[in-house]
Amino acid sequence: ETGVTQTPRHLVMGMTNKKSLKCEQHLGHNAMYWYKQSAKKPLELMFVYNFKEQTENNSVPSRFSPECPNSSHLFLHLHTLQPEDSALYLCASSQETQNSPLHFGNGTRLTVT
Amino acid sequence: AQTVTQSQPEMSVQEAETVTLSCTYDTSESDYYLFWYKQPPSRQMILVIRQEAYKQQNATENRFSVNFQKAAKSFSLKISDSQLGDAAMYFCAYRSGLNYGGSQGNLIFGKGTKLSVKP
Repeated sequence: ETGVTQTPRHLVMGMTNKKSLKCEQHLGHNAMYWYKQSAKKPLELMFVYNFKEQTENNSVPSRFSPECPNSSHLFLHLHTLQPEDSALYLCASSQETQNSPLHFGNGTRLTVT
Repeated sequence: AQTVTQSQPEMSVQEAETVTLSCTYDTSESDYYLFWYKQPPSRQMILVIRQEAYKQQNATENRFSVNFQKAAKSFSLKISDSQLGDAAMYFCAYRSGLNYGGSQGNLIFGKGTKLSVKP
């Protein structure tokens, strides 16, 4: 069982919908991340939160809006997405120390129609 | 900018045999970390092994070992005594050291190699 839980597992939404992805970690970590995994492309880091503060935003379009209310929960709010945003969205967490590995969730498979 | 290249989109190995997955990277930094992650059909990325660039000794984790050639910028993964459960996508990843502003989660991934294990 993973210490990082993502819901929902699958999501289909239209371009005018608003939805949210949820990530929860039970590992006591202080850093959380959103990654995007598209077909035939490398994994891309989207956002980084350390101690609830956003520390990185890798040029992600504003139609993706992250929220980190506490160090255990991370959300990704979605609105007016495009079909090319269809991908697997992975959440990860870690302790922000040099040798701490990332722990990933099982991802949310998003399809935008 | 750093890049990671996995030149083998797919590989196949017979159960109990040994297979080597290739990874090369490009960087001008001297302080960095390299990782191999496994992604089975469950989709969860699982850390297989990691290597600090300043360590000359190749990392080993049970049946998994790496051949780290720093001068050649090569970081291959060897899986010995392959098992059916090893079938997955394998991703090579690079992270800058703190001296270069590297943060824990800012990994640069290759496109992956799909490994099949034949019974």
